[in-house]
Amino acid sequence: NAGVTQTPKFQVLKTGQSMTLQCAQDMNHEYMSWYRQDPGMGLRLIHYSVGAGITDQGEVPNGYNVSRSTTEDFPLRLLSAAPSQTSVYFCASSLRTSGTGELFFGEGSRLTVL
Amino acid sequence: KQEVTQIPAALSVPEGENLVLNCSFTDSAIYNLQWFRQDPGKGLTSLLLIQSSQREQTSGRLNASLDKSSGRSTLYIAASQPGDSATYLCAVSYSGNTPLVFGKGTRLSVIA
Repeated sequence: NAGVTQTPKFQVLKTGQSMTLQCAQDMNHEYMSWYRQDPGMGLRLIHYSVGAGITDQGEVPNGYNVSRSTTEDFPLRLLSAAPSQTSVYFCASSLRTSGTGELFFGEGSRLTVL
Repeated sequence: KQEVTQIPAALSVPEGENLVLNCSFTDSAIYNLQWFRQDPGKGLTSLLLIQSSQREQTSGRLNASLDKSSGRSTLYIAASQPGDSATYLCAVSYSGNTPLVFGKGTRLSVIA
């Protein structure tokens, strides 16, 4: 049972480039979410989804795009990378559609934007 | 605004000591509270989840308590070990579709 899998683990981008962070879970969880973690700022929610075809914005959604075509996958797209998006990104999932159940995290994707 | 505060930000203790980590939240109308552990360079691992109707949860050497009326939760670690060294975060969820609110964590170092 793999849990929540994120790829890539590390990525370096130049300003203006676009990329997609992949997230997949094999626990049949309805709720999936993306966080970024920055020193001194803690974890901040970017986008979340309560099921296939349903997404919503979190606290810091600007510059990011998501879609949820299947229950298993929840990719995060950076449309035009900026240095302010240098961060560690975590995908998390939960059985409860409200996200109030036990939350399972991936190992993280460390992104550097030059 | 709903906020979760964890004090202290860092804590260093000798091996074998019992210790308490604190978490406070501004809105007492919580649905549940979770404690997580994060090792350096890793994701978060859920340790304990306390429902709003519960007073405490236990798992091995860990015991988490919840006092909604005072807006506080504590994580008690018995007989600490160097392997307990990590950052511990608490997160609060409220009814409905409001996202989890995380504290910034307490970085624990257990010295052998």
